[in-house]
Amino acid sequence: QVQLQESGPGLVKPSQTLSLTCTVSGGSISSGSYYWSWIRQPAGKGLEWIGRIYTSGSTNYNPSLKSRVTISVDTSKNQFSLKLSSVTAADTAVYYCATAYEGSNAFDIWGQGTMVTVSS
Amino acid sequence: DIQMTQSPSSLSASVGDRVTITCQASQDISNYLNWYQQKPGKAPKLLIYDASNLETGVPSRFSGSGSGTDFTFTISSLQPEDIATYYCQQYDNLPLYTFGQGTKLEIK
Repeated sequence: QVQLQESGPGLVKPSQTLSLTCTVSGGSISSGSYYWSWIRQPAGKGLEWIGRIYTSGSTNYNPSLKSRVTISVDTSKNQFSLKLSSVTAADTAVYYCATAYEGSNAFDIWGQGTMVTVSS
Repeated sequence: DIQMTQSPSSLSASVGDRVTITCQASQDISNYLNWYQQKPGKAPKLLIYDASNLETGVPSRFSGSGSGTDFTFTISSLQPEDIATYYCQQYDNLPLYTFGQGTKLEIK
């Protein structure tokens, strides 16, 4: 059974770049037809999809964040990563990595989430 | 963009009650809708996919229905462990996924 685990700094200064990594265990990130996504949730609020990367390396981003987001994959480490530039307090949230099979578009596996606070 | 409107935003019910949550899309999304359960401090969990299909391992008291713009999520007999926030999510407007604002379910 595939499992996901987010990691990265819990505190980022305004205007800097937020960097998170999701480690995939129990399966290979490069096998099968899966989309690997990042989703975030500000405290007490709803879920916002940030973007995804396909097994092939192709990416799609939420238009509202597209200018600041980069998602990449490192198959040698079985990881995919999120970079969000020029962060502000509005980017403070719990960040989840999640996966969906290409044919389903339902996020059936999630990481536990990691809290990132943007503050000086 | 497709907007998803859930109602109610919060709901209080008794154990054993039938609970219904609705999700309305701003345009026709066929059956491209999923439902998730999120307990406090936890990641969301997929319950229903493609509007009406029960995810493996999910209790049968959970169900979903609808197509087009109007969708319903039902718990046939509320259990104490069902206390959570429930979200709908559309995937008609790929590659952009959007979620409803959530429905917080509490025990009366």
